[in-house]
Amino acid sequence: QEQLQQWGAEFLKPSETLSLTCGAYGESFSPGYWSWIRQPPGRGLEWIGQKYRSGTTSYSPSLRSRVTMSLDTSKNQFSLQLTSVTVADTAVYYCASHCSGGYCYYGMQVWGQGTTVTVSS
Amino acid sequence: QSALTQPSSVSGSPGQSITISCTGTTDNVGAYNYLSWYQQPPGKAPKVIIFHVNERPSGISNRFSGSKSGNTASLTISDLQAEDEADYYCSSYTRSDTYVFGSGTKVIVL
Repeated sequence: QEQLQQWGAEFLKPSETLSLTCGAYGESFSPGYWSWIRQPPGRGLEWIGQKYRSGTTSYSPSLRSRVTMSLDTSKNQFSLQLTSVTVADTAVYYCASHCSGGYCYYGMQVWGQGTTVTVSS
Repeated sequence: QSALTQPSSVSGSPGQSITISCTGTTDNVGAYNYLSWYQQPPGKAPKVIIFHVNERPSGISNRFSGSKSGNTASLTISDLQAEDEADYYCSSYTRSDTYVFGSGTKVIVL
């Protein structure tokens, strides 16, 4: 079964850097197209950015200046870094694969369990 | 980029059909057939139920169907069941090689 597992620091102070990693597990599950999405408390989903195995990356215009995504294909892991966090970055962060069953699509097919990140002084 | 517009809530009785709309622009919904729908039960991660406007992933009930006309997409849930009560989000790929989500719709089963 294709699964994504996420981990990373859950409590940050303003100005620190958020760092999360997402690993893909399952027989032959090696996604080549990933996204990060977040959801502030009580609010809707917000797309943060995407990365292809080729290295091509695209970020949300509102977060572009603070976001970096990286992909370690040897470990099947996808990472997110968000610098200079503020209280407004408090949210549940999800990783997602656009690929499933050996095919990739323009839509998030498999989601991680979510990581609640709280920014507070 | 602005979120796609969805009704805040839609309700129906068990066995009925309901439809959720998702309105965007020629830069997103109207640009490609790359429109997805996600179901999010309270406290859980979202799950894809429709992708590429009307494709269902393996294991998703055929009670869920999608369509699109111009800049507006729709999700129809037929034979509404108690287990369908959740938040639903649309999402579209855009001309800028980004994605945008809808504002979300709470489905209430009466």
